[in-house]
Amino acid sequence: GAGVSQSPSNKVTEKGKDVELRCDPISGHTALYWYRQSLGQGLEFLIYFQGNSAPDKSGLPSDRFSAERTGGSVSTLTIQRTQQEDSAVYLCASSSTVNPGELFFGEGSRLTVL
Amino acid sequence: RKEVEQDPGPFNVPEGATVAFNCTYSNSASQSFFWYRQDCRKEPKLLMSVYSSGNEDGRFTAQLNRASQYISLLIRDSKLSDSATYLCVVNGNTGRRALTFGSGTRLQVQP
Repeated sequence: GAGVSQSPSNKVTEKGKDVELRCDPISGHTALYWYRQSLGQGLEFLIYFQGNSAPDKSGLPSDRFSAERTGGSVSTLTIQRTQQEDSAVYLCASSSTVNPGELFFGEGSRLTVL
Repeated sequence: RKEVEQDPGPFNVPEGATVAFNCTYSNSASQSFFWYRQDCRKEPKLLMSVYSSGNEDGRFTAQLNRASQYISLLIRDSKLSDSATYLCVVNGNTGRRALTFGSGTRLQVQP
């Protein structure tokens, strides 16, 4: 089915390298979210895009993190100069304007920084 | 204080038991409330919305207490398949703010 698609599903990188994580939301969904989840922990909000409005970046943990959403669809989360504490599962979700409380999540991108 | 707080559990209950989880939230202006379910190593999925008057979906009942700023989830006649982590989710009073997830309460239903 045409659910939320994330890539890569797994990424192992060395400390100091940059990584890009991609999210392809459900077609027609105007809202797109990035969260991250460390092992055994809850979801930590990172950034939220809604239509053409300026994104809510209040959850980004440092200036090494950035995200963009091109054409109101695909989003890329970029982490520069990765650190070991960046290791987590990065989850993308989208929702429609009709039912904004129902987030559809992708399967996540598991990032391991060595 | 965290925006959304939950007892992490785990709650270990036998099949057929009734179990209840509470969640407290800090923003008194919050407008929307939800329970999500997350299975081990899977993504979260919406279980049910929580309405002011309380609502029921089969064996699941959700209630909201605005005065005390908590929401609850009651599961009756627990099944083995109910074993999961239950996430309390709240959003703020503006349409732009993303949903805030609690850390979750883990439920283990035992045979």
